[in-house]
Amino acid sequence: DAKTTQPPSMDCAEGRAANLPCNHSTISGNEYVYWYRQIHSQGPQYIIHGLKNNETNEMASLIITEDRKSSTLILPHATLRDTAVYYCIGPGGSTLGRLYFGRGTQLTVWP
Amino acid sequence: GAVVSQHPSWVICKSGTSVKIECRSLDFQATTMFWYRQFPKQSLMLMATSNEGSKATYEQGVEKDKFLINHASLTLSTLTVTSAHPEDSSFYICSAKSGILYEQYFGPGTRLTVT
Repeated sequence: DAKTTQPPSMDCAEGRAANLPCNHSTISGNEYVYWYRQIHSQGPQYIIHGLKNNETNEMASLIITEDRKSSTLILPHATLRDTAVYYCIGPGGSTLGRLYFGRGTQLTVWP
Repeated sequence: GAVVSQHPSWVICKSGTSVKIECRSLDFQATTMFWYRQFPKQSLMLMATSNEGSKATYEQGVEKDKFLINHASLTLSTLTVTSAHPEDSSFYICSAKSGILYEQYFGPGTRLTVT
């Protein structure tokens, strides 16, 4: 089972930054943190992953605390199309390439 | 970006029949493919992992004789739901991974309804 804790839901105004937290306090030193999202009735979409350094790509930024026990996914300018369930996958959640999804956070972006 | 397709996107079948779902990686070679199932308002549940040319590895509680998985090539994996029953109605999603990539790429899913 995925050993991560995420808030079940969050809201964000369009154009503002969406900051999605994730606790993964049992993560070990060589385990990556992955973020995926799933828009309603579609397959999940890969967003970003990281080990210990902050990461940024065209979709989002990932901030990982120095002790690696938590991370925050940042969507810098949320749009309505970013409304989705966001999954943080951490310790025990990625084994030999397998992904074990938790409940995730339902992000709703409102106009 | 990497694209994974699934066919069909939705299927309705009668109880007792078998249904085959295809998963294809369109622009990369998938050394590993995964099959997930998702019931309404629930998260994705990993069913099995398949590597090209070898037998699939099933997660605990998933019946291997009911959910037949074949990964015959580096771009195609199939899931056959045998003797389907209404409780097998679900959203089936595949994903594919290349050995050199950390991330998985997911197909759009197949909605199976068994009547």
